[in-house]
Amino acid sequence: SQQGEEDPQALSIQEGENATMNCSYKTSINNLQWYRQNSGRGLVHLILIRSNEREKHSGRLRVTLDTSKKSSSLLITASRAADTASYFCATDAQDSNYQLIWGAGTKLIIKP
Amino acid sequence: EAGVAQSPRYKIIEKRQSVAFWCNPISGHATLYWYQQILGQGPKLLIQFQNNGVVDDSQLPKDRFSAERLKGVDSTLKIQPAKLEDSAVYLCASSLAGNRNTQYFGPGTRLTVL
Repeated sequence: SQQGEEDPQALSIQEGENATMNCSYKTSINNLQWYRQNSGRGLVHLILIRSNEREKHSGRLRVTLDTSKKSSSLLITASRAADTASYFCATDAQDSNYQLIWGAGTKLIIKP
Repeated sequence: EAGVAQSPRYKIIEKRQSVAFWCNPISGHATLYWYQQILGQGPKLLIQFQNNGVVDDSQLPKDRFSAERLKGVDSTLKIQPAKLEDSAVYLCASSLAGNRNTQYFGPGTRLTVL
């Protein structure tokens, strides 16, 4: 079963703009991770946020977590063409034998 | 540090044929995962190994899929016989220990079943 659901399914913005993607999940989690997948390349880990954290930064990435709403957002600031990829959230749910459960992803296109 | 290696990168077979994929995880990573990713979807865990033992294979279609990690290092995933719906990218990932650590993914094997 799918735990995480990303929103929107697809997003197209101009280079330099900010991109925001959201992830909602269903059950209590230990942590939530965001991954990026470029066409032709494997999944790459971007950032992990633990259930007791509310916000985390890594370079141009900002992740927030709201456990009361069971949602997370990924913000990419000052987007670049190289950010074109699919972005997935994966949750380490407390009742899933600690499997990572993945959403279907948000496809982000950065227009030059 | 070398990443997760997978081979082959691409495979095309006829339905009912057999196919095997190979994965070599990052050195020292005790946990190895095989995922199936169908086009337009997120990865689905097929099997998770901790060293050479199976931690979770609840979503592995055991009538046709099998996997092993005999020496606790590299692993093979086999499909026998393949069905059309097995067309997907098969991803191998490894982590230091368990799911609370970052998973590192290989490039995947794109399987097309005709």
